[in-house]
Formats: sequence, C-alpha cells, structure tokens
Amino acid sequence: DAGVTQSPTHLIKTRGQHVTLRCSPISGHKSVSWYQQVLGQGPQFIFQYYEKEERGRGNFPDRFSARQFPNYSSELNVNALLLGDSALYLCASSFDNVAPLHFGNGTRLTVT
Amino acid sequence: AQSVTQPDIHITVSEGASLELRCNYSYGATPYLFWYVQSPGQGLQLLLKYFSGDTLVQGIKGFEAEFKRSQSSFNLRKPSVHWSDAAEYFCAVGATMNYGGSQGNLIFGKGTKLSVKP
Repeated sequence: DAGVTQSPTHLIKTRGQHVTLRCSPISGHKSVSWYQQVLGQGPQFIFQYYEKEERGRGNFPDRFSARQFPNYSSELNVNALLLGDSALYLCASSFDNVAPLHFGNGTRLTVT
Repeated sequence: AQSVTQPDIHITVSEGASLELRCNYSYGATPYLFWYVQSPGQGLQLLLKYFSGDTLVQGIKGFEAEFKRSQSSFNLRKPSVHWSDAAEYFCAVGATMNYGGSQGNLIFGKGTKLSVKP
C-alpha cells in the first residue's frame, strides 16, 4: 500500500500570495493531521481532521485553514503568506482518532 | 502545559558504539510517548511508541526506549549504532485518550541530530 502522499514536494511563493497543499492518507485512514516544521525545530501541530470534522487546532493564525474531503484526503490553505511561513509542511494519517503514526515526506514551502 | 525537552542538540558516536538519546517531558498525567526519526529532506518515521503496559518498549531498527515515570523520561537506546542511523531524532508527547479531544496534537522536542563516525 502507498504511504501518506503529499503534493507538491516543493513550492516557491511570494509574500501575500495564497497556497494550497494536498495530502492523501494511507488507504483506510480517516484521520489527517498537519504540522509545520521550521528549519532546526521540531514539528508544530496545525490541525487535525477526523471523519471530515476538525478535531483540533494549534496556535496558528486564521490565515491557516484546512478541510478534509469525503475520500479522507485533505488540503491545507494558507492566505497572505509571510516570510515566516517558509517551512516543511507535514501531513500525517492514522486509522482512527489517535495520534498520527504515519507521516508523509512533506511539502517544502519557500516564501520570498 | 505539555512540553518535551531533548537536552542534546547534536551527538556523535562511533559506528558499533551504544547510543542513548535523552527525552524529558512535562505532562499532568501519564502521556502517550513517541520517538520519530527524520532523514534529511524526508518526513518522520515512527520508531516506537508507549501507550501503557511494559515500560520497556521495542521498536524498529533495533531501537528501544524506557518510560520512567519518576524521572518523566523516555530515553531512546540502541546497543550498536550503524552508519545508516545518522539522522535527526524527535521525541514527542501526546494527550491520552479523552472523548472529543484532539489526538492528532503531538508536542515535539527540538530534536537531536545524530552523527556516526566510521
């Protein structure tokens, strides 16, 4: 079975633009979590969705939003990009409403 | 508030030597505990997890970790390090099951970078 897949792998955007990152969980997994990893730091929790409902939100501004689709894939949207949004964005999935056990390879976002 | 401390930013060991990576956590109850490994440019791979039961947990790639409640620690060990173990290691703590809460919220430490000398 395929693991957690994220697209795109790399992305370069300009300040003020909007970006959409995509995640496909492992087949059968219903929970998707998003994390931001700034260079040199551990990942920081952004959102969790389970059964298409938001189950948790980290300490991020309203510029960050997400959703989960009927097939359990997910999108993370970031509006009005700032230089500080440059990071590796990780998606993780789990079968149930439990801790994320399987991570994708991430999307590297660079904001210039 | 929950927190995770990995006191060692960078550790270098010789190939074949033993390894211990330290992790201390702050949490009001017995948490769920995890160790992940990240190779450069890659995502995180779960090495092992502790939810309950035996405090010595076996993981993949020959790693093990021991939960010590009295010390609020969850140190990762490997008896003999291989060159392929060079990577960054993250300890994480998660909330224990509570109805309606977010189980997706893990608190990560800042990581320990492991270098392996030939």
